[in-house]
Amino acid sequence: KAGVTQTPRYLIKTRGQQVTLSCSPISGHRSVSWYQQTPGQGLQFLFEYFSETQRNKGNFPGRFSGRQFSNSRSEMNVSTLELGDSALYLCASSLVYGQGDEQYFGPGTRLTVT
Amino acid sequence: LAKTTQPISMDSYEGQEVNITCSHNNIATNDYITWYQQFPSQGPRFIIQGYKTKVTNEVASLFIPADRKSSTLSLPRVSLSDTAVYYCLVGEGSSGSARQLTFGSGTQLTVLP
Repeated sequence: KAGVTQTPRYLIKTRGQQVTLSCSPISGHRSVSWYQQTPGQGLQFLFEYFSETQRNKGNFPGRFSGRQFSNSRSEMNVSTLELGDSALYLCASSLVYGQGDEQYFGPGTRLTVT
Repeated sequence: LAKTTQPISMDSYEGQEVNITCSHNNIATNDYITWYQQFPSQGPRFIIQGYKTKVTNEVASLFIPADRKSSTLSLPRVSLSDTAVYYCLVGEGSSGSARQLTFGSGTQLTVLP
C-alpha cells in the first residue's frame, strides 16, 4: 500500500507570496492532519480534516488555511509568506477521526521563504 | 492543552535498554499517549500507543502509571539505527469533538558503538 505523499518536496518562495502544498493520504484513510516543524518550535499542529471538514485547528494565524477534497486529498495554503514560515510541513493521515488513531506521516515539504 | 515535557537528549550504547520519559500533567481522561520516531529529513513514524498500564509490541514497551501524568517508552537492546528523535504525543478531547494534538519537544537519542 502506498504511503502518504506530499508535493512538492522542496519549495522556495519570496516574502509576501502565497504557497499551496498538497497531501495525498494512504488509500482508505479519511483523516488528514497538517503539522509545521521548525528547529525552534518543534512539531506544531496546524489543523485536521475529516470528511472535507476542518475538525480542529492549532494556534496559527489566519494566513494558514487548508481544505480537504472528497477523495480525502488535502491542500494547505499559506498567504503573505513571512520569513518565519520557513519550515518542514508534514502531513499525516489516519483511518478515521478520533482518539487512538495511529497517524502515518508523509516525507514533508521543505518550504524556504527568502 | 496537555503540554508534554521530555528530556532534550540521551546517549546510550548498543545493546542497552533505553527508557525515555514524558511528563503530561494535564492529560485528559480520554487522551491516548503515542510515541513517534523521526529520522532526519523524514516524517515521524509511529512506534507505540497506550492509554494506561503497559503496552508492548515488537519494537518497544510503553509504561503508563495509574495517574497517567507521565509515560515511559522503553527500547530494548538498542542499535545504532535507533539513533533518532523520539516524540511523545498526547491527544485532547474525545472522538468526534474538537481536539488538539500536542507533540513534546522530542528527545534526541544517540546510540554509540
